[in-house]
Amino acid sequence: DQQVKQNSPSLSVQEGRISILNCDYTNSMFDYFLWYKKYPAEGPTFLISISSIKDKNEDGRFTVFLNKSAKHLSLHIVPSQPGDSAVYFCAARLTKAGNQFYFGTGTSLTVIP
Amino acid sequence: KAGVTQTPRYLIKTRGQQVTLSCSPISGHRSVSWYQQTPGQGLQFLFEYFSETQRNKGNFPGRFSGRQFSNSRSEMNVSTLELGDSALYLCASSLRLAGQETQYFGPGTRLLVL
Repeated sequence: DQQVKQNSPSLSVQEGRISILNCDYTNSMFDYFLWYKKYPAEGPTFLISISSIKDKNEDGRFTVFLNKSAKHLSLHIVPSQPGDSAVYFCAARLTKAGNQFYFGTGTSLTVIP
Repeated sequence: KAGVTQTPRYLIKTRGQQVTLSCSPISGHRSVSWYQQTPGQGLQFLFEYFSETQRNKGNFPGRFSGRQFSNSRSEMNVSTLELGDSALYLCASSLRLAGQETQYFGPGTRLLVL
């Protein structure tokens, strides 16, 4: 049962334009959401996060939006750069006795120079 | 600060064998989680350890087990390997501060089961 879904396996964007990566989730108990970036042969690297009590968080070129009613999360990258080409994973945290993180299947972003 | 380290980086085993993977978290991080990554499945949560105790477990068979030592280093063991266990196994350590928590991942151990 995939509780966090990234329905677009891949995305191509021209350099300088906006990249929008989307993520949907099913569990309303998730309290924290994160985006990770992954290059081949490396582990995922943390990019940006947002608490479930907020609807937007910004860090430089990266902005994450959370729409709780729609159970939807998106990552905006503006402007996109060739170095942003990587696989992006969204993740959601469920805090029970400890933490459990659920990951999407990833979206491969290619930024075309 | 040194990052999360995992050993070995690559491993080839045959069906029926067992394997032990090791993870050293970032200094000061007490939570260690393990994930399995396969193509098309994303990262699947295996288990989380905190202060030598397993706090959470994902939906994996009992062949997958782990432990954490007093220095927070963790090991993951898979017994009676199957072909489907071929995957990238990732370890992540984390520290929660003021409600915010970020997992820092190691480079992973790529396991191939023949």
